[in-house]
Amino acid sequence: QKEVEQNSGPLSVPEGAIASLNCTYSDRGSQSFFWYRQYSGKSPELIMFIYSNGDKEDGRFTAQLNKASQYVSLLIRDSQPSDSATYLCAVKGGSYQLTFGKGTKLSVIP
Amino acid sequence: SQTIHQWPATLVQPVGSPLSLECTVEGTSNPNLYWYRQAAGRGLQLLFYSVGIGQISSEVPQNLSASRPQDRQFILSSKKLLLSDSGFYLCAWSTPGGFYGYTFGSGTRLTVV
Repeated sequence: QKEVEQNSGPLSVPEGAIASLNCTYSDRGSQSFFWYRQYSGKSPELIMFIYSNGDKEDGRFTAQLNKASQYVSLLIRDSQPSDSATYLCAVKGGSYQLTFGKGTKLSVIP
Repeated sequence: SQTIHQWPATLVQPVGSPLSLECTVEGTSNPNLYWYRQAAGRGLQLLFYSVGIGQISSEVPQNLSASRPQDRQFILSSKKLLLSDSGFYLCAWSTPGGFYGYTFGSGTRLTVV
């Protein structure tokens, strides 16, 4: 059974701080890793994906992958109230199917 | 560019009534298609997925069924809704290899009363 674990939160950070969201996965054969943002009442939206060990930056977002530790994280710099949402981690193994975590709720306090 | 359409946005249905939710994808061919349900405050539950016309795989035995009558059309149905069928239903598509993740439709909020 492939598992993706996330702290459900809520994670509260002050505006302008760095938010750090973490995700661990059980399948060592996992190849691709995705971060989705889901605002309340809306559908998930893909914001980042990463395939290789290390960091990948896109604007205020940085995804970090450590396959040896089976760990992927998302950093949000200069957090804004508009970043308040639930963040879903998803992992792809050898097939086309993604396994989703249950999500971490982030609250950015003005 | 590819787009995914899902309707209706909201639906209130009585217990025992039928259900039909439709999803279509534009701008791509031979997509993988998925139906998910998200209960309030819960994670995503994969209900059905399809890799081609007429090919449906079910993840969870339940009161629902799915069909794929055309390459880019995916339909979720029920003959008789239960209270427990309430939730947020999401359609998604991916390329056959799934390398770029899934793209979700805007979802249908179903309330069974």
